[in-house]
Amino acid sequence: QKEVEQDPGPLSVPEGAIVSLNCTYSNSAFQYFMWYRQYSRKGPELLMYTYSSGNKEDGRFTAQVDKSSKYISLFIRDSQPSDSATYLCAMRGPEKLVFGKGTKLTVNP
Amino acid sequence: DGGITQSPKYLFRKEGQNVTLSCEQNLNHDAMYWYRQDPGQGLRLIYYSQIVNDFQKGDIAEGYSVSREKKESFPLTVTSAQKNPTAFYLCASTAGTGGNYGYTFGSGTRLTVV
Repeated sequence: QKEVEQDPGPLSVPEGAIVSLNCTYSNSAFQYFMWYRQYSRKGPELLMYTYSSGNKEDGRFTAQVDKSSKYISLFIRDSQPSDSATYLCAMRGPEKLVFGKGTKLTVNP
Repeated sequence: DGGITQSPKYLFRKEGQNVTLSCEQNLNHDAMYWYRQDPGQGLRLIYYSQIVNDFQKGDIAEGYSVSREKKESFPLTVTSAQKNPTAFYLCASTAGTGGNYGYTFGSGTRLTVV
């Protein structure tokens, strides 16, 4: 079983839709969880991070962690074409981040 | 502005050649990382360094080499032993290896074998 599993998609939604992106993980020692956004042919950029279980909101983005289920989510409300990108989840391991493979999202005008 | 600079943006390599990808950061970060990204494969760790003059192999180190002589610089050499080097290469750095320290990524180098 891989440490982090992420559905690669691709995911295509109409503008204004609510998007749900998810990752599962196997290592119960993970405490810090992050979401990165990567536009085509660019490096990933940190979007949000959360510590332990709970929710964190930043504008149209909400990150959710359920440690009991080893499941994290990123919700995007009122999605925009500019949200079209690949979204990678990441979790803090002992010396490095462990990344999911990324989900490619397209928001259609 | 602080950040990570990767150069060149595009690189073409002939079969049997070694090439070196540059990664420079002015963030005063201790740890630096090299990843390879292929379609559908996500980020795969090649090498990382937590301190000057020290580095560790990642998951796919074969055919690659690195050096860390200065805190700001972490060049990656793709040797002729790397059989399938065509990929997008990303360099990253972080201020710490615990807690909520995320990575700052460069804009990548796309390497193509011709």
